[in-house]
Amino acid sequence: DAKTTQPPSMDCAEGRAANLPCNHSTISGNEYVYWYRQIHSQGPQYIIHGLKNNETNEMASLIITEDRKSSTLILPHATLRDTAVYYCIVRVYNQGGKLIFGQGTELSVKP
Amino acid sequence: DGGITQSPKYLFRKEGQNVTLSCEQNLNHDAMYWYRQDPGQGLRLIYYSQIVNDFQKGDIAEGYSVSREKKESFPLTVTSAQKNPTAFYLCASSIWAEGNQPQHFGDGTRLSIL
Repeated sequence: DAKTTQPPSMDCAEGRAANLPCNHSTISGNEYVYWYRQIHSQGPQYIIHGLKNNETNEMASLIITEDRKSSTLILPHATLRDTAVYYCIVRVYNQGGKLIFGQGTELSVKP
Repeated sequence: DGGITQSPKYLFRKEGQNVTLSCEQNLNHDAMYWYRQDPGQGLRLIYYSQIVNDFQKGDIAEGYSVSREKKESFPLTVTSAQKNPTAFYLCASSIWAEGNQPQHFGDGTRLSIL
């Protein structure tokens, strides 16, 4: 299973862009990169996913490098409610496409 | 609103007792999943179901059982054989069990031992 590496914690000023990096150097050609976030005592919230092209939705943008070995999640205008643990996941194909959550990045958005 | 509903939010189990956690979805999703999360750790897959009347064991199925008699429901029973059941249990669903379809989660059930 492809492993992801994320910094354990990051800070961001409210209103600024939050850029969360993720390394996934062993990713296979047909494996998707997913991003979720989890606020304490709640279920993980789906943010965005992609294969090779950059993706954008109402929550965030996902930038995947051309070699697919790393990606960056961008929250364009971070708010205090974006404070959470963010997980970068390479989705496997066995076991129904289970999600393997690592330790994630704890993002603190400060006023 | 469409979504995934887990109940109860908190549950307490006595020694030797079986307890059942409910998971209902009205998203018309074929695939459903149960994960367990321990403090400070990632999620681990307990069971999953890709279609009604079918389910498969995940990585930590021992001491748990499930059923999938209806598309919208995937209850999880924590049996007395599960010796360390204290954890946060999360149910998820997706349109189908393919890599390009996101899983969406409920708000979880926190199970503790009395």
